[in-house]
Amino acid sequence: GQNIDQPTEMTATEGAIVQINCTYQTSGFNGLFWYQQHAGEAPTFLSYNVLDGLEEKGRFSSFLSRSKGYSYLLLKELQMKDSASYLCAVRSTGGFKTIFGAGTRLFVKA
Amino acid sequence: EAGVAQSPRYKIIEKRQSVAFWCNPISGHATLYWYQQILGQGPKLLIQFQNNGVVDDSQLPKDRFSAERLKGVDSTLKIQPAKLEDSAVYLCASSSFDEQFFGPGTRLTVL
Repeated sequence: GQNIDQPTEMTATEGAIVQINCTYQTSGFNGLFWYQQHAGEAPTFLSYNVLDGLEEKGRFSSFLSRSKGYSYLLLKELQMKDSASYLCAVRSTGGFKTIFGAGTRLFVKA
Repeated sequence: EAGVAQSPRYKIIEKRQSVAFWCNPISGHATLYWYQQILGQGPKLLIQFQNNGVVDDSQLPKDRFSAERLKGVDSTLKIQPAKLEDSAVYLCASSSFDEQFFGPGTRLTVL
């Protein structure tokens, strides 16, 4: 089966850096995704990692270690609009089923 | 490019009634997903289609939920009869390769 763990809530200050961790267990790994979801809205894609290492995209970076079943999303130069839930999702081989974690609610304060 | 369309956006029904949701994916996307998202939780996959074939429906409560994707394009998700615990947002998503594109969702309230 699959299992995804991420912190429930985090608080950070505007302009700072925050790291959101995700650990997972899956039988047959085929990629890890991060999505952003503002309250009352649909999730939107942030990043995709299938190989170990860091993927950088503007203020957002995502890291993956397949051997440790671990990923993090790094948000730099935090802005108030970054207050949202961040969903870690893992895709498995065999049908490419994607399972989402419960999400981490990030609060950015002034 | 047009996004994923869903209707209705909101639906309020009483328990034991039936309800249907419609989804039109992005043109050319072979994979279509239906998710249930309960407040405060992540999206839970109900069913995944590849063209008009079912790839995974292991978490679909088949005694009350059904879904179809005719001609490999539009899809409908039906609940019959609805229970109180079905109150949630039902998200439809489509993908061609890796990234999933989500529709705005249908917020269902069962009274």
